[in-house]
Amino acid sequence: AQKITQTQPGMFVQEKEAVTLDCTYDTSDQSYGLFWYKQPSSGEMIFLIYQGSYDEQNATEGRYSLNFQKARKSANLVISASQLGDSAMYFCAMRTFQGAQKLVFGQGTRLTINP
Amino acid sequence: KAGVTQTPRYLIKTRGQQVTLSCSPISGHRSVSWYQQTPGQGLQFLFEYFSETQRNKGNFPGRFSGRQFSNSRSEMNVSTLELGDSALYLCASSLEPGNNEQFFGPGTRLTVL
Repeated sequence: AQKITQTQPGMFVQEKEAVTLDCTYDTSDQSYGLFWYKQPSSGEMIFLIYQGSYDEQNATEGRYSLNFQKARKSANLVISASQLGDSAMYFCAMRTFQGAQKLVFGQGTRLTINP
Repeated sequence: KAGVTQTPRYLIKTRGQQVTLSCSPISGHRSVSWYQQTPGQGLQFLFEYFSETQRNKGNFPGRFSGRQFSNSRSEMNVSTLELGDSALYLCASSLEPGNNEQFFGPGTRLTVL
């Protein structure tokens, strides 16, 4: 079975600072994908970044980067130069490529950016 | 290109009733997945449809069902509603199963009284 753990229920960061959101995962599969989503108060899940288990380079998308440490089974999200609009819930998710191709989500981290 | 749309956005029902939620995927996307989000259980996979066929189902009772139409639009149905069914129901679409990007709709917030 797959499991995602996000140990930070909430984080408070000053605007323009960088922030790291932690995510660890557990799976026995060799082929899997890791995702980060942002969920504002409106409820919509916004895709941020993806990392495949065989990707050697850490994924980057604008201000978002994924710090992938396969041996430690961690996939932390780094947001550089945080903005007020980054305040939201952030979810780490995983999908394996065998069996049911569903997303398994962590419990989320509520990020608050202070001016 | 329009995003994933879900209707209705908000719904209030009473215990014992049934409800149908609708999801229209992004044009050209043929795979639709449904998730339930509650404060206690978080985000949980309900089912996935592709080419009008249910490919996968999560660990939910038979009261939860769904279907997909030939135009890829999907509906999910919950019969004999219980208080615990109150949740945000999210639909996600992708080009096909296994595609790396799943685009989510705004969700339907269901309240069961």
